[in-house]
This record gives sequence, C-alpha cells and structure tokens, in this order.
Amino acid sequence: DTQMTQSPSSVSASVGDRVIITCRASQDINNWLAWYQQKPGKAPQLLISPTPNLQNGFPSRFSGSESGTDFTLTISNLQPEDSATYFCQQANDFPLTFGGGTKVEI
Amino acid sequence: EVQLVESGGGLIQPGGSLRLSCAASGFIVSSTYMTWVRQAPGKGLEWLSVLFGGGDTHYADSVKGRFTISRDNSKNTLYLQMNSLRAEDTAIYYCANVIGKAGKTALGLYSSFYYIDVWGRGTTVTVSS
Repeated sequence: DTQMTQSPSSVSASVGDRVIITCRASQDINNWLAWYQQKPGKAPQLLISPTPNLQNGFPSRFSGSESGTDFTLTISNLQPEDSATYFCQQANDFPLTFGGGTKVEI
Repeated sequence: EVQLVESGGGLIQPGGSLRLSCAASGFIVSSTYMTWVRQAPGKGLEWLSVLFGGGDTHYADSVKGRFTISRDNSKNTLYLQMNSLRAEDTAIYYCANVIGKAGKTALGLYSSFYYIDVWGRGTTVTVSS
C-alpha cells in the first residue's frame, strides 16, 4: 500500500499570507493525487484532482503541483474562509490512502 | 441534485454488529464506484471499502473479514455490514462516490486514477460498553 506523508500537521497564518502544504508518496503514484478541504463538522470536499486541476467553485488562489513523489498544495492570499483541514489522497490505486491532514488556522 | 444520505449509525457494544445504509439520488449506484471512508474523532480519513459497478469489491486490511460492502440496485442504496465491532471502529462513516478515469502519465502511458467527488454527510458509529 502507498503511504502518504503530509506536512505540516497544522499551520497558523494571517490573512494574505501564502501557505504551502506538502505530501510525499512512499512510491510512484504516476502523479495521481487529489486534495480535499474539510471544514469543521462537514464532509470533505474535493478541491483538486488530479493535480493540478482545480475543481469548480474554488478560487484560483488554490493551486497544486508535483515533483516526482512530492506534491504541494499552495494557498495564496489566504482568506478567512480558507480555515479548514486539508487532506491529500493518492489516486493511483486501491487501497486509496490519505495523508494525515493539515489544519490551517487563520 | 447528486446526494448521498447515510443512516444506521449509533451506539453499539464491542463485538456487536451494525449495518449502515447510504441512499443515493441523482445517480445510479450500480453504474459507478461506491466507497466507504471513516474518520475517527479528531483524526484523519481512512478508506475502508469500494464496490465497483461490476460487483467486485476491495477492502482495507483493517476491516477485511469483518465488514461487507453491498448494494441494493432496486433501492439505489449502498450498505456496509459491520461485524465484530471494536472500540477503534468508533468514527464518522462517510459514503462516497468514486470517479475512475484514465489519464496519461509523465511517461506518456495511460493509467487509471480514482478520486472521490461526492460525499455524504456521514453517520456516527460509537463502539463502547
């Protein structure tokens, strides 16, 4: 199974800041990676899949990139509504595996 | 509107059984990949099982042999039968739809990839005596 290592586990930033979240896959996943946003008490929402394709409804300040087995979610110009937990998920094969999550606090 | 609504969660004693249901609307469960994902309190997401359109299934090692995924096409509903429940099964259980697509890799080869595009609101299972 592919292990996904996500960092940091939490980050506190100010409005307007840029936040970078990384995920590293334990093996080649053919660059197939998804990102989800989860707000408190809610189900996760698909944010990017596959990298770097941003889903409809999310602003362009969210972006995803990849380099080998390392993946990055960047939130530019952080806004209050971006406060959430973000998860990566390897999309290459079953079992689907998720990163541990990154809680973004404003 | 595409929607998934889970039900069947609750408080159950260790060793007990529970069946979760997931009613789908806006799409047909038998024509897509349906999956269950759980989230323990304050923890991350854990994928549990998938039911492919053709009927094949796949399970996470943590639930293999204890949980069974199935569907009722006439009710357009997905199920998760959970047996031999343990305290560590306490979580919110989400039903979700998996999209499977084919794309070109960096090497120019085509391969499949899978992501979750629709999630239910979840149902809470608490395993405790």
